[in-house]
Amino acid sequence: DVKVTQSSRYLVKRTGEKVFLECVQDMDHENMFWYRQDPGLGLRLIYFSYDVKMKEKGDIPEGYSVSREKKERFSLILESASTNQTSMYLCASSQPAGGTDTQYFGPGTRLTVL
Amino acid sequence: GQSLEQPSEVTAVEGAIVQINCTYQTSGFYGLSWYQQHDGGAPTFLSYNALDGLEETGRFSSFLSRSDSYGYLLLQELQMKDSASYFCAVNNAGNMLTFGGGTRLMVKP
Repeated sequence: DVKVTQSSRYLVKRTGEKVFLECVQDMDHENMFWYRQDPGLGLRLIYFSYDVKMKEKGDIPEGYSVSREKKERFSLILESASTNQTSMYLCASSQPAGGTDTQYFGPGTRLTVL
Repeated sequence: GQSLEQPSEVTAVEGAIVQINCTYQTSGFYGLSWYQQHDGGAPTFLSYNALDGLEETGRFSSFLSRSDSYGYLLLQELQMKDSASYFCAVNNAGNMLTFGGGTRLMVKP
């Protein structure tokens, strides 16, 4: 079974802090993704990566950056956390399969910024 | 731009059949996926339609009409454990998914 793990289930930070969210997958997948999930808005893509050291902006990259130094690990960084970044953050991975890529999600990190 | 529309909430009774509709507008389209998410859990893949027609997987079926930019998820013989949120998602080029806002299904006894 594919396993995607995230470093924390719950996180509380203060405005202005630098926040690191870590994601690790164990299936040697090429693609990794970071989403945020807010009620009524579904999952919105922040960044994704299709290879080590490669990254692409998603729909809402402002205020975030990412790092992929190893194939299995994809980090989301909030350079200076703000209250509007309070959300559920979900990491996912997939293996390219010509359009039928199934994404496997981690359990999520619920981040609260005070 | 890209957008997907699905109802925010649906309620049904145990044993019934429920259909969750999804309409989409997208600049790139490879297919339509459906994901299930229980409260507090991770989204999990249910089905994928690349071509028009019906795909059946046990109690769940998914339908796609590319000409109408429309699809639905059909859940039969509803069980209490089917209470969850269901998301449609368009597979775009580059292995990306664009998700709808989700439909919260409540199954009542």
